Amino acid sequence: QMQLVESGGGLVKPGGSLRLSCGASGFTFRDYYMNWIRQAPGKGLDWLSYISSSGSTIYYADSVKGRFTISRDNAKNSLYLQMNSLRAEDTAVYYCASPSITVAHGFHIWGQGTMVTVSS
Amino acid sequence: QSALTQPASVSGSPGQSITISCTGTNSDVGSNNLVSWYRQHPGKAPKLMIYEVSKRPSGVSNRFSGSKSGNTASLTISGLQAEDEADYYCCSYAGSRNFEVIFGGGTKLTVL
Repeated sequence: QMQLVESGGGLVKPGGSLRLSCGASGFTFRDYYMNWIRQAPGKGLDWLSYISSSGSTIYYADSVKGRFTISRDNAKNSLYLQMNSLRAEDTAVYYCASPSITVAHGFHIWGQGTMVTVSS
Repeated sequence: QSALTQPASVSGSPGQSITISCTGTNSDVGSNNLVSWYRQHPGKAPKLMIYEVSKRPSGVSNRFSGSKSGNTASLTISGLQAEDEADYYCCSYAGSRNFEVIFGGGTKLTVL
């Protein structure tokens, strides 16, 4: 069973940094592209970043470009999001999401989310 | 890219059918067949209900169907059940030059 588990969220001051992790199990992680998506309290979903299966191709939403860095370690079945220069508006639940063996184009597998709160 | 446009709320009685619209532009919904729909119950992660406009993942009820015409995609839920009460989000690939994904603002479905 494909599973994703995020960790690393917490309370951080404006301007601070945080690194999120997403551990994968139940599937061949290195075969799938991965994404980070967030949801501010009471708001909708917001796509943040994409990384190809090999890690060679990366894209970001304009809202986080230059501040966030996506990466992956296929040997550790893990996805990461390094978040720098955090702002109050970055407060959200952060999800990692992926396609699956049966769904090539769509966020089929989601983690449970990890909460990031940016506040002084 | 602006968010895709969805109605803020829709409602229906058990057993009825409802349709949620998702309007985009020629650069996103109208440019490809990579539209997907997600259901989210409070405090839970989103769940994929429809992908590639009209395909259902394994395990999703055939009461859920998707379609698209021009720049507008639609999700139809037939035979409404209490468990269908949730937020629904549409999503489209929008990467004419670079990979980009945009979501709709979400629709709150109330089962009366």
